[in-house]
Amino acid sequence: QVQLQESGPGLVKPSQTLSLTCTVSGGSISSGDYYWSWIRQPPGKGLEWIGYIYYSGNTYYSPSLKSPVTISVDTSKNQFSLNLSSVTAADTAVYYCARARRYTSSWFDYWGQGTLVTVSS
Amino acid sequence: SYELTQPPSVSVSPGQTASITCSGDKLGNKYACWYQQKAGQSPVLVIYQDTKRPSGIPERFSGSNSGNTATLTISGTQAMDEADYYCQMWDSNTVVFGGGTKLTVL
Repeated sequence: QVQLQESGPGLVKPSQTLSLTCTVSGGSISSGDYYWSWIRQPPGKGLEWIGYIYYSGNTYYSPSLKSPVTISVDTSKNQFSLNLSSVTAADTAVYYCARARRYTSSWFDYWGQGTLVTVSS
Repeated sequence: SYELTQPPSVSVSPGQTASITCSGDKLGNKYACWYQQKAGQSPVLVIYQDTKRPSGIPERFSGSNSGNTATLTISGTQAMDEADYYCQMWDSNTVVFGGGTKLTVL
């Protein structure tokens, strides 16, 4: 059974960088069959896709994001990470990591439990 | 950018059929999927590739997609189905979620 677990600071100051890590267990990021994604949900609002990465390092990001974003992968640790720069209060959200099948039109079959990140001074 | 539109809320009586729509330009030419999210929990996939149910999802959940509209149908709705539902499409390396629909079982 695949499990994903987000970790990182729950509080980030405005203009600083939000950094989160997703640890995958029960399966290998390097299997090549999946994309690994970050999705967020502001309090009381809907889901917003941030981006995804393939184990090789290829990345795709949402064109709608206002803050600069980087997703990276560490196959030796079976982890992938999110860096969101120059954050503002609008980046306050529950951040989820999720797995998607490597298809041209895919879906997220496993999700982490989510972690709340608050941007505040 | 591509947009998916869902009604903010849908109400249904227990045992009746609930239909939640998701509209987007030529959505029927793409695959749609659906997630259920209960309060304080992570989303759960209930339909993928328009009509397929993942293992463990009850048969009362079904999906369709044609023209500009994908539809999630819940037959014999139960109180436990009360949740937020999100549609999603994936096209040209971009993922789009609908705004979500709150299903109330009265």
